[in-house]
Amino acid sequence: QQQVKQSPQSLIVQKGGIPIINCAYENTAFDYFPWYQQFPGKGPALLIAIRPDVSEKKEGRFTISFNKSAKQFSLHIMDSQPGDSATYFCAARQTGANNLFFGTGTRLTVIP
Amino acid sequence: EPEVTQTPSHQVTQMGQEVILRCVPISNHLYFYWYRQILGQKVEFLVSFYNNEISEKSEIFDDQFSVERPDGSNFTLKIRSTKLEDSAMYFCASIAGEGNQPQHFGDGTRLSIL
Repeated sequence: QQQVKQSPQSLIVQKGGIPIINCAYENTAFDYFPWYQQFPGKGPALLIAIRPDVSEKKEGRFTISFNKSAKQFSLHIMDSQPGDSATYFCAARQTGANNLFFGTGTRLTVIP
Repeated sequence: EPEVTQTPSHQVTQMGQEVILRCVPISNHLYFYWYRQILGQKVEFLVSFYNNEISEKSEIFDDQFSVERPDGSNFTLKIRSTKLEDSAMYFCASIAGEGNQPQHFGDGTRLSIL
């Protein structure tokens, strides 16, 4: 059972573009939604996270948009840079639990 | 900044052999996790550990797997009799406490089963 669905699988944008990565979930018990960035040979690193009581959160060039009724959330990267090229994973955590359910990942390539 | 450290970075083992993957979580953290990532696939939860016992485990974490915190700093994952399909990156993670605490991941151990 795929708890968190993520799309697209890969994404190529020009420098300065705004890549958008989308995730959807079914489990209404999820109450914490982090995004992780992973570079080759490294572990996932927390980028930004949101709770369902807010519709948007910004940290620097990264923004999460959250639509509770649609059970969807997305990551936007403003003014993308070649250094943002990495794999991005959305994740979700259920109330009362600590383990994360990850999406399938999006490989982002930012072309100079 | 404190880090989760994992050793070895790469482990090559013959099928059927036992393997132990080691992790040193961040020192004041209380909850510990193992995740697995098969090449090119998503990160999958294996097990969580708190107060010297398993708190949650996934279907992947069968009787071939075990975890241990043998001392105050190390957290280990043992695979008793490895199979080819155990080949993956194994990530250790830790958090300071409950609630919306971020999970800090190590850089993983690449396990290759021959």
